[in-house]
Amino acid sequence: AQRVTQPEKLLSVFKGAPVELKCNYSYSGSPELFWYVQYSRQRLQLLLRHISRESIKGFTADLNKGETSFHLKKPFAQEEDSAMYYCALSGLGGSGAGSYQLTFGKGTKLSVIP
Amino acid sequence: EPEVTQTPSHQVTQMGQEVILRCVPISNHLYFYWYRQILGQKVEFLVSFYNNEISEKSEIFDDQFSVERPDGSNFTLKIRSTKLEDSAMYFCASSVDSLNTGELFFGEGSRLTVL
Repeated sequence: AQRVTQPEKLLSVFKGAPVELKCNYSYSGSPELFWYVQYSRQRLQLLLRHISRESIKGFTADLNKGETSFHLKKPFAQEEDSAMYYCALSGLGGSGAGSYQLTFGKGTKLSVIP
Repeated sequence: EPEVTQTPSHQVTQMGQEVILRCVPISNHLYFYWYRQILGQKVEFLVSFYNNEISEKSEIFDDQFSVERPDGSNFTLKIRSTKLEDSAMYFCASSVDSLNTGELFFGEGSRLTVL
């Protein structure tokens, strides 16, 4: 079974401070990990995925298979980063084919204090 | 920029009534999804749809639920006889390809309140 755990419901940091949003997963196969973000009154949107290894809006996330983690980090938080962040997992199908469902964590609300 | 659109944004219904939630996916996308989020809980997968048939569904998606793409543009979720526990935000989403290579685009959601 797939499971995603985000231990923090709410994370408050001061502007300019580093941010780390934690995500741990449980999956027996080879997962694809994602971070989705929902800004106030906006729709859920993809922030980044581990396979692309890119930095979006200053955020990075490294997949650590040993620790089964995919923590989201940013060295200097900005006020506009305040949002709800969801870690999500997609598992490969049995034949290695693509999967069509995401398993989400409960989300962490990031509040950046000016 | 193309977006997934959902109607209605909010629907209130009596327990036992049928509800249809509508979605217009992005036009060149091939895979369509419904997710739901009960207040205070996680976003949960309901069903995925490709080539006019269900490709995957979760345990939540029981016989009370059905999906349809009646006219090549709309993608609907029907709940036949609503229960109190069906109260949730329902999100439609679409993608060009599988999630391992593609991105999931979400609508703004339809809030369903069952009284």
